[in-house]
Amino acid sequence: EAQVTQNPRYLITVTGKKLTVTCSQNMNHEYMSWYRQDPGLGLRQIYYSMNVEVTDKGDVPEGYKVSRKEKRNFPLILESPSPNQTSLYFCASSLQGRSWETQYFGPGTRLLVL
Amino acid sequence: RKEVEQDPGPFNVPEGATVAFNCTYSNSASQSFFWYRQDCRKEPKLLMSVYSSGNEDGRFTAQLNRASQYISLLIRDSKLSDSATYLCVVSPLGGSQGNLIFGKGTKLSVKP
Repeated sequence: EAQVTQNPRYLITVTGKKLTVTCSQNMNHEYMSWYRQDPGLGLRQIYYSMNVEVTDKGDVPEGYKVSRKEKRNFPLILESPSPNQTSLYFCASSLQGRSWETQYFGPGTRLLVL
Repeated sequence: RKEVEQDPGPFNVPEGATVAFNCTYSNSASQSFFWYRQDCRKEPKLLMSVYSSGNEDGRFTAQLNRASQYISLLIRDSKLSDSATYLCVVSPLGGSQGNLIFGKGTKLSVKP
């Protein structure tokens, strides 16, 4: 089944404890992206990647890192999480990242930083 | 300033009603337009792309007005299963999804 998977789905952590949220897609998509969704603010892009070893900042990259060593994986790294990073995170992918393509989203990761 | 504005929700309608959502965008250079649907606590999924000539998919009709910089979504004969949040999505840069902008969404609740 073609899909985007994220792990973990739910995570409670404490301020300053490094964490990684994994994202993987099995559709051979070149483009991958991370978003966060907060009440009243909608979806905001954190980072995106047009292909392996190519990453760019989105609208809210502060406090996050990403890497794209393989086409299928695009992990999101929070080196020192803070409570304002408590949010619902979505990973997404599309074939080549062209503006008219459909984005396929993962199921989301709910993060609570205490 | 990048911005996509949607109707403030929620819309509470009875089954069978026709409901319309509007969305305005500020960047006149915007290239691609979409409506995504998001069920409660789930991921967004593409409902339909919006083409310049307008397009229809069953009970759903999407329209684009470039001169006024808005897009619309019309749902006819609403079903209970249409209850969801509808996200207006705009791609401002030619050729890339690198700067997709999502509206905050409009919540629709269809009642029996």
